[in-house]
Amino acid sequence: DAGVTQSPTHLIKTRGQQVTLRCSPKSGHDTVSWYQQALGQGPQFIFQYYEEEERQRGNFPDRFSGHQFPNYSSELNVNALLLGDSALYLCASSSGPIFNEKLFFGSGTQLSVL
Amino acid sequence: QQQVKQSPQSLIVQKGGIPIINCAYENTAFDYFPWYQQFPGKGPALLIAIRPDVSEKKEGRFTISFNKSAKQFSLHIMDSQPGDSATYFCAFLRPTGNQFYFGTGTSLTVIP
Repeated sequence: DAGVTQSPTHLIKTRGQQVTLRCSPKSGHDTVSWYQQALGQGPQFIFQYYEEEERQRGNFPDRFSGHQFPNYSSELNVNALLLGDSALYLCASSSGPIFNEKLFFGSGTQLSVL
Repeated sequence: QQQVKQSPQSLIVQKGGIPIINCAYENTAFDYFPWYQQFPGKGPALLIAIRPDVSEKKEGRFTISFNKSAKQFSLHIMDSQPGDSATYFCAFLRPTGNQFYFGTGTSLTVIP
């Protein structure tokens, strides 16, 4: 049983570019959350998708957007990249959107913005 | 921004020692308190969790102690092993919420 899978594992972009990160949730899970983890910090919630809709959003600008597909996989898009967007982007999946204690994380995509 | 204070930032112990990591929170609406373990190059993985209706929970070598009145909880690792060397994060979840608030992490090194 595959866990949460993310692609790519590493990515290098330059300022102003746009990036798309991808996530496939754990089998049986229908909810995907995205977190940003800056170096030396804990993960910070970006947003959550359930039933192909954004259900909740953290304190991130609208340069960060997402999408969920009918097969529950998800994409995170970041436009107009800034140096400060360099971080590990984590996808987490769960069953149901509310009070989902069992949160499973992928290994993340390491984004470097030059 | 939810206030989550985790300490210490880093910790070095000898094999067999008992590292203790502490977390303090401000929002009393939280009612689920997990600890996550993260190895380099990997995402966080749930280690152990507690609800505020109990003061202590043990799972194997890992123990959470919870002090609701002080709004603090701690992770104890008994008989620590070099394989426990990782970064540990406390986290919080509100009853009606669907986002976790994470601490800043503690880097643990267990020396053989």
